[in-house]
Amino acid sequence: DQQVKQNSPSLSVQEGRISILNCDYTNSMFDYFLWYKKYPAEGPTFLISISSIKDKNEDGRFTVFLNKSAKHLSLHIVPSQPGDSAVYFCAMYSGGGADGLTFGKGTHLIIQP
Amino acid sequence: DGGITQSPKYLFRKEGQNVTLSCEQNLNHDAMYWYRQDPGQGLRLIYYSQIVNDFQKGDIAEGYSVSREKKESFPLTVTSAQKNPTAFYLCASSILLAANYGYTFGSGTRLTVV
Repeated sequence: DQQVKQNSPSLSVQEGRISILNCDYTNSMFDYFLWYKKYPAEGPTFLISISSIKDKNEDGRFTVFLNKSAKHLSLHIVPSQPGDSAVYFCAMYSGGGADGLTFGKGTHLIIQP
Repeated sequence: DGGITQSPKYLFRKEGQNVTLSCEQNLNHDAMYWYRQDPGQGLRLIYYSQIVNDFQKGDIAEGYSVSREKKESFPLTVTSAQKNPTAFYLCASSILLAANYGYTFGSGTRLTVV
């Protein structure tokens, strides 16, 4: 059973508007949540993260929201730029992450000019 | 510059052959990981190692083997027992028990069975 779900395989957003990527999880033991950005044929790059003791973390154009009661994580990008076009993975772990990250299947974000 | 180096970038394997993918890091990270990515799929954990000379199976370890003889190196062998080895393989490393620290990934190796 998938512990981490990204239900939108792709998302198209106009340049300058807000992009909202969503992620749902089932394992209540997860205590740290991350977003990665990935271009084709490259490794993922870390974008932003949030611990379970917070509900929001902001870094420039990127904001991550965590709703623990709903087991829902989201990433907001505003304003969206052409360079944001990539696949975005949510990932999470419990207990310090030594046993590896659990990833969603990814959402392909396409920024339209 | 510190980072993770995976080699080769592209690898072709004949049926029945074992192949080894290299992963080296100079970040002084304790833990290293191997993930596999298939089209339309997330990253799935193959093996991981928290310290030298020790490693654990991940979710899809069958048909793979690893070694961790040095802190910097974590090679992955794809054996002939792996029935569907064509995929994009990613190596990562992290500081152990650093709750606010993400993993650092290499640039990947694309393995194709011919």
